[in-house]
Order: sequence, then C-alpha cells, then structure tokens
Amino acid sequence: AQSVTQLDSQVPVFEEAPVELRCNYSSSVSVYLFWYVQYPNQGLQLLLKYLSGSTLVKSINGFEAEFNKSQTSFHLRKPSVHISDTAEYFCAVSEPGGYQKVTFGTGTKLQVIP
Amino acid sequence: KAGVTQTPRYLIKTRGQQVTLSCSPISGHRSVSWYQQTPGQGLQFLFEYFSETQRNKGNFPGRFSGRQFSNSRSEMNVSTLELGDSALYLCASSLEPGDSNQPQHFGDGTRLSIL
Repeated sequence: AQSVTQLDSQVPVFEEAPVELRCNYSSSVSVYLFWYVQYPNQGLQLLLKYLSGSTLVKSINGFEAEFNKSQTSFHLRKPSVHISDTAEYFCAVSEPGGYQKVTFGTGTKLQVIP
Repeated sequence: KAGVTQTPRYLIKTRGQQVTLSCSPISGHRSVSWYQQTPGQGLQFLFEYFSETQRNKGNFPGRFSGRQFSNSRSEMNVSTLELGDSALYLCASSLEPGDSNQPQHFGDGTRLSIL
C-alpha cells in the first residue's frame, strides 16, 4: 500500500522569503505525484503534477516541485512567497488506476506573514 | 464556463437523520467523484460515478451511497448520521474516467455538521 507524509502541519514564512513544503511518499510501484492548494472555504485546485519525464515540474504562479526517486520525496518550493499564497497545500500520490488509488497527505498550512 | 457546483454549501443535521448532497459537474464532464475531508483523516475517496454507474468505491460503510443522473449531475446520500460524519464533502469532476493522472476539478464543498 502507498502512503504520503507531509512533515509540517504549519509553516509560517515572511512575505518575499523562500519556502519549502516537504512531502515524502512510499510505494512499491511507480507513482504519479501531485500538489493541490486549498484556499479557505474552497475546494482543491491542482497546482502541479509529476507523471513521468523531467523530474522538475513548475506551476504558472511560481511554485515548483522536484521528484526525487532515491529519497522518495516531492517537495514543493517557491523562491519568494506572497500574501496570496496563504492556503493549505496537499501532496498526493497515486498508483496508476482510478481515483480510488489517490492517497492524500494531511496537508500543510502555509501562513505568509506581511 | 461554470465550475463544479455543490449545494448546499452548509448543512446542519442531528444524529440519526439522513442527508442528500448535490453536485453539478463542469459542462461536458461525465465522471464525478466524491471525497470526505476531515481534520483527523484528511481527504478520503468515497466513490466515483460515470454513465450513471458507480465505477469505484472507497472504504466507507454502506450508509454512504450515491447516484448519478443522465445529465451527469450526482447526489450523495448519508443515512443514520453519526457525529463522526461531520466533514467537508468535496465533489470533483473530470471529462472521462480513466487513469488517476487525469485532472480533476473540485467544487467548493458542502460542510456538514452533525449535532
């Protein structure tokens, strides 16, 4: 069975500072990896995903994540955060197959401090 | 293009009652999935519907059921409500069912509180 661990439940960071949200996973097969963002009182939005190919994936709003197979990690980074990045971020891992195979992490709340 | 619409946004029920939640997918999307989100358990898959048929099911008791109509709209029903059913219920739609790498679009959820 697969699992995903988000090591930090909350991450406070000052505006314009860099941030890294950590995600580690375990699986016995090849997986897909995702980061979702959830703003207050809203549903999840896909931020970026790794399916195959280049291990570095980027979103349109400056976030990036790198798939590291040897360390079974998929950490999310941004070089300079904005107030608007305040939200909860979920890492997810999935084996090929239907959506029932997607396992979500417990989330990391990113709080950007002005 | 309208997004995924869930109604109602908030709901308060008491133990033992039943509840029905509704989800209208993005126009043209035919696959609808339901998730339960709680602080303790995180986000958990409930079930997926396509062409009015349940395609996949998560590990939830039979009190949780759903259905999909010919226009792809979906409803989720929970009977004999328990305090532990208090959660945010999210619906997600996608064009077609298929591999889990296909993008899903989430609604804003229905927050169910059980008193």
